[in-house]
Amino acid sequence: DGGITQSPKYLFRKEGQNVTLSCEQNLNHDAMYWYRQDPGQGLRLIYYSQIVNDFQKGDIAEGYSVSREKKESFPLTVTSAQKNPTAFYLCASSIRGQTIYQPQHFGDGTRLSIL
Amino acid sequence: QKEVEQNSGPLSVPEGAIASLNCTYSDRVSQSFFWYRQYSGKSPELIMSIYSNGDKEDGRFTAQLNKASQYVSLLIRDSQPSDSATYLCAVRNAGNMLTFGGGTRLMVKP
Repeated sequence: DGGITQSPKYLFRKEGQNVTLSCEQNLNHDAMYWYRQDPGQGLRLIYYSQIVNDFQKGDIAEGYSVSREKKESFPLTVTSAQKNPTAFYLCASSIRGQTIYQPQHFGDGTRLSIL
Repeated sequence: QKEVEQNSGPLSVPEGAIASLNCTYSDRVSQSFFWYRQYSGKSPELIMSIYSNGDKEDGRFTAQLNKASQYVSLLIRDSQPSDSATYLCAVRNAGNMLTFGGGTRLMVKP
């Protein structure tokens, strides 16, 4: 079955530690996205990538980094510079192109907490 | 700042009633609109998309779009307790990004 796999499901970060969240998709989608969701809130865009080896900052990129070395993979690193990392992190993907008929599909999410 | 606004709720309806969820957006050039359902602790799931003014029906769900008023809504007929979730409105802008509203929490009471 095609889909988006995020791992781990739960992650705990110690003070001063960098942690990496994995996102893999086998939908052959060019575009991939990372969102952060805080309790009772909507989704805020952290980073997105429309093509391999290219990515752009979203609305809340500070304290985060990404890479896009393969079409299938878009890992997110939460660095020690992100002082409030506790949130639900969602990875999404979509077909790239000019057509407007392109919903984003989501993985199951990673819940990150501070130890 | 492009914004998408939703009433956070909770919106409480009895089982079998029609639930009406509303969303307004600020970017006049927005072209496509999506409704996602998110159960507590889960990821969003796409349930409806709409691109043209008017109504679009899919089973118990109807999406309504009025671009002149910058308003999109989702109607759920014959609401079931299993429809209890948070409903997120998302708007695609000219830059091909989605902007999400804060979501409306729907509670369907048996």
